[in-house]
Amino acid sequence: EDQVTQSPEALRLQEGESSSLNCSYTVSGLRGLFWYRQDPGKGPEFLFTLYSAGEEKEKERLKATLTKKESFLHITAPKPEDSATYLCAVQWNTGNQFYFGTGTSLTVIP
Amino acid sequence: EADIYQTPRYLVIGTGKKITLECSQTMGHDKMYWYQQDPGMELHLIHYSYGVNSTEKGDLSSESTVSRIRTEHFPLTLESARPSHTSQYLCASSDIILGSPLHFGNGTRLTVT
Repeated sequence: EDQVTQSPEALRLQEGESSSLNCSYTVSGLRGLFWYRQDPGKGPEFLFTLYSAGEEKEKERLKATLTKKESFLHITAPKPEDSATYLCAVQWNTGNQFYFGTGTSLTVIP
Repeated sequence: EADIYQTPRYLVIGTGKKITLECSQTMGHDKMYWYQQDPGMELHLIHYSYGVNSTEKGDLSSESTVSRIRTEHFPLTLESARPSHTSQYLCASSDIILGSPLHFGNGTRLTVT
């Protein structure tokens, strides 16, 4: 049973077309939810940590939000350089391990 | 400006060979991890360590071993490489405080022929 689910699997946007990526989780007792960006051939790059429902974090065109069962990564007016795979990971209160989703592959077309 | 380094970046090796993937970090993190990543799949934990002389097995730990003799160094060894080991291997580290994020290296792309 998947504990972390990301949607959509792939997303194509026109440059400037804002959208959101979703990360939902099925287990209660969240210690932290993490967003990463991964470019082809590279390791995931840390973007944000969210710890509690209602929390929001922003960085340039990206804004991450958290509710009790899901997180959204909002991309405002994306540019081609925002094209990448975005990964979500969670850590529960009961342990030290991280559980990853399968990612959303974002393509921004000029 | 990566603070966690993996070598080699790419490796092609024959079946049955013993290989060691290197990982070093300069952040002074106590926790270190090895993950396996295949296209379209979630990252799977292979091994992790909470400090020197501490190692634990993850979900995919069979057929590989790790050591943690120094804080900054966490090598992964495959005793006998097989084609099923072909994958991307990612090393990560994090601070000891629960809820701290993982920081990843750029990975080793392993191909076993």
